[in-house]
Amino acid sequence: EIVLTQSPATLSLSPGERATLSCRASQSVGSYLAWYQQKPGQAPRLLIYDASNRATGIPARFSGSGSGTDFTLTISSLEPEDFAVYYCQQRYNWPITFGQGTRLEIK
Amino acid sequence: EVQLVESGGGLVQPGRSLRLSCAASGFTFDDYAMHWVRQAPGKGLEWVSGISWNSGNIDYADSVKGRFTISRDNAKKSLSLQMNSLRAEDMALYYCAKDLYDILTGEGGMDVWGQGTTVTVSS
Repeated sequence: EIVLTQSPATLSLSPGERATLSCRASQSVGSYLAWYQQKPGQAPRLLIYDASNRATGIPARFSGSGSGTDFTLTISSLEPEDFAVYYCQQRYNWPITFGQGTRLEIK
Repeated sequence: EVQLVESGGGLVQPGRSLRLSCAASGFTFDDYAMHWVRQAPGKGLEWVSGISWNSGNIDYADSVKGRFTISRDNAKKSLSLQMNSLRAEDMALYYCAKDLYDILTGEGGMDVWGQGTTVTVSS
């Protein structure tokens, strides 16, 4: 089973700042990595799939990059609604696994 | 409106069974693979099981293999999860999720999610 390690566990930033979230895989997952956003009391929302493709309706301030074992989710300029928990997910090697999450909080 | 609505959760004793259902609407159900994903209270996401559009490909997390069975009825636009021999560690909010693609593949992601149904395992 592939283990995904997300860092940092918590990221404290202010609206307007740039956020950089990391996801590292225990072995290569190619480009088969997705990112999700989850707000309290809500279901997860797909942001990015195949490492860099934005899902339908996702604002351009969200971008994904990376391949192999190291991936990054970047939010170029934080909006108030972006403060949430973010999960990465690999689909290269089944079973599908998720990272433990990064909590993005308002500073 | 694209929608997934889960049902069937509840309180069950350890060792007993429960069957979850997910009703789909607003999209062509049999064009897509489907998944169950769970989230224990205060914890992260855990993928449970997935099924391809025609039920030809099914996979499970090791933690539920041999105890849980996923199935779908395309005519009824419905996804199910039969959960047997339930354990305390199965207690979670269970989400039904739609895949971007029709088969269980490395590409893609889960682009539509229900609001979840809660399973509580306790004596």
